[in-house]
Amino acid sequence: EPEVTQTPSHQVTQMGQEVILRCVPISNHLYFYWYRQILGQKVEFLVSFYNNEISEKSEIFDDQFSVERPDGSNFTLKIRSTKLEDSAMYFCASRQDYNEKLFFGSGTQLSVL
Amino acid sequence: AQSVTQLDSQVPVFEEAPVELRCNYSSSVSVYLFWYVQYPNQGLQLLLKYLSGSTLVKGINGFEAEFNKSQTSFHLRKPSVHISDTAEYFCAVSVAAGNKLTFGGGTRVLVKP
Repeated sequence: EPEVTQTPSHQVTQMGQEVILRCVPISNHLYFYWYRQILGQKVEFLVSFYNNEISEKSEIFDDQFSVERPDGSNFTLKIRSTKLEDSAMYFCASRQDYNEKLFFGSGTQLSVL
Repeated sequence: AQSVTQLDSQVPVFEEAPVELRCNYSSSVSVYLFWYVQYPNQGLQLLLKYLSGSTLVKGINGFEAEFNKSQTSFHLRKPSVHISDTAEYFCAVSVAAGNKLTFGGGTRVLVKP
């Protein structure tokens, strides 16, 4: 089965630093998402992206967050100035069409020190 | 807004025994219901979904779930578990088939020999 690939699997950064989390969605997919899970809490929706623009975002997704599809294959999540509370597992997901199955990557564990 | 409650955070079960994972949801509108599984070091994988029609939904790996509108529940069952079913299971809802997912807190299933 095709896979969504996320790199790196673990990332450690200092508070205040910028971090970019990378995802390679499945090649013919058109809808892209980021979710996150803080340790011990629920998986939370961050943002959805379609046709090169954000289609929906949660209240978590403030001005410190941005997403980009820079080259037609990667889908990135940037956090401009990381805070301790940004420490979480970040999941990328993609689907081919709006009603199709959603495929998740295995996540990037972000630790902000 | 929607919310999902998974009543059991952990469920230990012996191999070949049945298991039921409970999921209740709250929503002011009709929802679509999903169960996802996360095996160790892997992404979330769709087990099954209820969009409409028969309230008993069969998924992969022998799992099934029953939608009960009056009780706002979508419990997941398997009649006989294997060691390989050890994983975390997430119940989720959305207001449209392709819309963002709202997740429950997850239930860790540990299958013992």
